[in-house]
Amino acid sequence: KAGVTQTPRYLIKTRGQQVTLSCSPISGHRSVSWYQQTPGQGLQFLFEYFSETQRNKGNFPGRFSGRQFSNSRSEMNVSTLELGDSALYLCASSLTGREFYNEQFFGPGTRLTVL
Amino acid sequence: KNQVEQSPQSLIILEGKNCTLQCNYTVSPFSNLRWYKQDTGRGPVSLTIMTFSENTKSNGRYTATLDADTKQSSLHITASQLSDSASYICVVSFSNDMRFGAGTRLTVKP
Repeated sequence: KAGVTQTPRYLIKTRGQQVTLSCSPISGHRSVSWYQQTPGQGLQFLFEYFSETQRNKGNFPGRFSGRQFSNSRSEMNVSTLELGDSALYLCASSLTGREFYNEQFFGPGTRLTVL
Repeated sequence: KNQVEQSPQSLIILEGKNCTLQCNYTVSPFSNLRWYKQDTGRGPVSLTIMTFSENTKSNGRYTATLDADTKQSSLHITASQLSDSASYICVVSFSNDMRFGAGTRLTVKP
């Protein structure tokens, strides 16, 4: 069974630009969660999608948005990039949701660098 | 405030030695606690998951313990190997949310 895939793996952007990251969950998984990981803040929850609906949202500005498609693939978008957005963005999929007993499976992440 | 704190922040041990990582939380109401291993540049991989009624869970050389009364968990690594060098993250779920610890960076030296 294929794992969670994320594209691209690495990305370099400049301040003010926007970026779109993609995540394909494990087949059959309907929940996709996005996280930002930085050395100073650790892992921080961005949002969770389940069956194309945003179910939970972390404490991030509106510049961070996402969506989920009918095939459960998900994208997240960051507009008007800031230097502080440089981070590893991780996607995790699970059968029914991140808050239940079901395990979350993480992708390899997308390393975003904002110059 | 719902928080998860891990200690130590970093740890260096020699190959073959044992070590114990700590996780204290103030999350309530508690749902479950997970330990993840994250290799540099890769996504976290689950090691163990424990609910309120479980106080020990093993996965090979990794053994996690949970004391729900004192809100403490530990991850014990036995006979460490070079491949154990990674960050270990404690995650506590509660209600409809979860909190991540900052992680412990473990380095195993030959």
